[in-house]
Amino acid sequence: GEDVEQSLFLSVREGDSSVINCTYTDSSSTYLYWYKQEPGAGLQLLTYIFSNMDMKQDQRLTVLLNKKDKHLSLRIADTQTGDSAIYFCAEYDNNDMRFGAGTRLTVKP
Amino acid sequence: DTAVSQTPKYLVTQMGNDKSIKCEQNLGHDTMYWYKQDSKKFLKIMFSYNNKELIINETVPNRFSPKSPDKAHLNLHINSLELGDSAVYFCASSQEDRSIYEKLFFGSGTQLSVL
Repeated sequence: GEDVEQSLFLSVREGDSSVINCTYTDSSSTYLYWYKQEPGAGLQLLTYIFSNMDMKQDQRLTVLLNKKDKHLSLRIADTQTGDSAIYFCAEYDNNDMRFGAGTRLTVKP
Repeated sequence: DTAVSQTPKYLVTQMGNDKSIKCEQNLGHDTMYWYKQDSKKFLKIMFSYNNKELIINETVPNRFSPKSPDKAHLNLHINSLELGDSAVYFCASSQEDRSIYEKLFFGSGTQLSVL
């Protein structure tokens, strides 16, 4: 099975909050990331969190980490149509980077 | 200015051919990578190069070979292409500094279709 799991689709209305969830399996991962991929573009690093943190806030983005459950989430406040993209969570440990399959976020006006 | 650029963007070829995908980064990074994205969008690391040394080689077929003429380039050569090689290949780079998080910068991907 895949190491990092996330749901494939999420649809929200403009102005609402979006929450994208991710489950990882490697408890020794030191860093966890969220990347955004827009159509035809490469992966853009959105934010990251160290494994010894529980939460990180960066403007409209809030990352929550539950190490016990190996659960990572990304909350986007006041979601805009420009936030429509595929969001990948990833774990990093000793030069090994593992990505989830990506969650396609659709923002409806 | 494009930080990580890879060419071609699309590549369609026949089974059995040999092809190359080029990657260049202008960030001054020490480490470059190749990832393969499967049909389910799952990215798996294939290779990484640090100062012309191969430091990671996942269990990929030896038909795939990375070539790094200098620190700013990491090209991917594929011999005897097979149908299963069809995928999107992403190049990436990072600054080699293990005291901080590894921040990966990705190219826009090369979609390879083997017929």
